[in-house]
Amino acid sequence: SAVISQKPSRDICQRGTSLTIQCQVDSQVTMMFWYRQQPGQSLTLIATANQGSEATYESGFVIDKFPISRPNLTFSTLTVSNMSPEDSSIYLCSVGGGLNTEAFFGQGTRLTVV
Amino acid sequence: SQKIEQNSEALNIQEGKTATLTCNYTNYSPAYLQWYRQDPGRGPVFLLLIRENEKEKRKERLKVTFDTTLKQSLFHITASQPADSATYLCALDVGQAGTALIFGKGTTLSVSS
Repeated sequence: SAVISQKPSRDICQRGTSLTIQCQVDSQVTMMFWYRQQPGQSLTLIATANQGSEATYESGFVIDKFPISRPNLTFSTLTVSNMSPEDSSIYLCSVGGGLNTEAFFGQGTRLTVV
Repeated sequence: SQKIEQNSEALNIQEGKTATLTCNYTNYSPAYLQWYRQDPGRGPVFLLLIRENEKEKRKERLKVTFDTTLKQSLFHITASQPADSATYLCALDVGQAGTALIFGKGTTLSVSS
């Protein structure tokens, strides 16, 4: 199992600013995943963060908008840059979940851009 | 195109009844299918996993079925309780290492006493 501490849990930000979300895992993991959950929508994968290499982004998400760091096997950050109200969403980090394993999630960051 | 659909956005039932949630997918070949529970303000929490060669899996009051011909999974909660009220997500696992799960939109279950 894994315990993920994610912070902040919520924030209200001005448009045009950036917010960095942090996730700390209590064990070493190879892959970390970042999801976005818009109101009434499913979890959409933003990117996969692998320690020691650049993150792999899904279609529709770019590094300039969502830069990710993965400095070691227990920590990752996601930055939401130059925010607009359309970025208002819940952002979640996760580990595990593929190849017959359960996924573990942070509590999520509820972001409101005004 | 690839799709995963949970047919009902909301399901309201009375305490003691069985809740049945549906998950359908197209153009995927998942090796496993997983179900999660999400409470407001929290991340999803794993409930059950079923393999493609399993027809049914049970855990306490929970039962999951997986029909790869119909491309459908059913999730049942028997003897439902108000504490079961939450959003339930199905997720496809294509069975490759390092691959993220693919989630449906979820069904919000409300159990009234």
